[in-house]
Amino acid sequence: QQQVKQSPQSLIVQKGGISIINCAYENTAFDYFPWYQQFPGKGPALLIAIRPDVSEKKEGRFTISFNKSAKQFSLHIMDSQPGDSATYFCAASWQTGANNLFFGTGTRLTVIP
Amino acid sequence: ETGVTQTPRHLVMGMTNKKSLKCEQHLGHNAMYWYKQSAKKPLELMFVYNFKEQTENNSVPSRFSPECPNSSHLFLHLHTLQPEDSALYLCASSRAQGDGQETQYFGPGTRLLVL
Repeated sequence: QQQVKQSPQSLIVQKGGISIINCAYENTAFDYFPWYQQFPGKGPALLIAIRPDVSEKKEGRFTISFNKSAKQFSLHIMDSQPGDSATYFCAASWQTGANNLFFGTGTRLTVIP
Repeated sequence: ETGVTQTPRHLVMGMTNKKSLKCEQHLGHNAMYWYKQSAKKPLELMFVYNFKEQTENNSVPSRFSPECPNSSHLFLHLHTLQPEDSALYLCASSRAQGDGQETQYFGPGTRLLVL
């Protein structure tokens, strides 16, 4: 069973537009929700992360919105740029001695000039 | 550069070959991970090492054999692989504070093709 469901699978956005990627989870024990960004030929890199005690976190053009009751969280990229074109993964984990991250299937974002 | 290096970057092997993937981290971390990344599937956690001790083995077939000689190095030994094992194999490391919220730093991966 997939622990974290991510949509859409791919997304095309005009330069300057808003990119929105959604994730949903079932396990209420999850308490850490990071987003990773992966460029071709590179490994994933942490972009931004949130804990469930806040409903929103913003870092520059990137914002995570978190809805604990709906068990959903989303990534918003404001003023999307061609350099944002990459694959984005949401993930979730719980407090444990081992850092087990459960990843979504990824969203390939293309920002067209 | 994330501080995590992987070699080789590309590998082609036959089903009867034996090969090893190497990962090295220069971040002073004490936890290291192997992931498998296949197209249109979530990253699959394969193995976790915490202070050189294996703490997770997520039902990985025995044809994959990990080795962690110290906190900076991690190997994945491969033998008698199947074509469906073709994927990108990613190594990651973290500080492993024990609260499940440490940032994992990924290497660039080894692209493996099994013929």
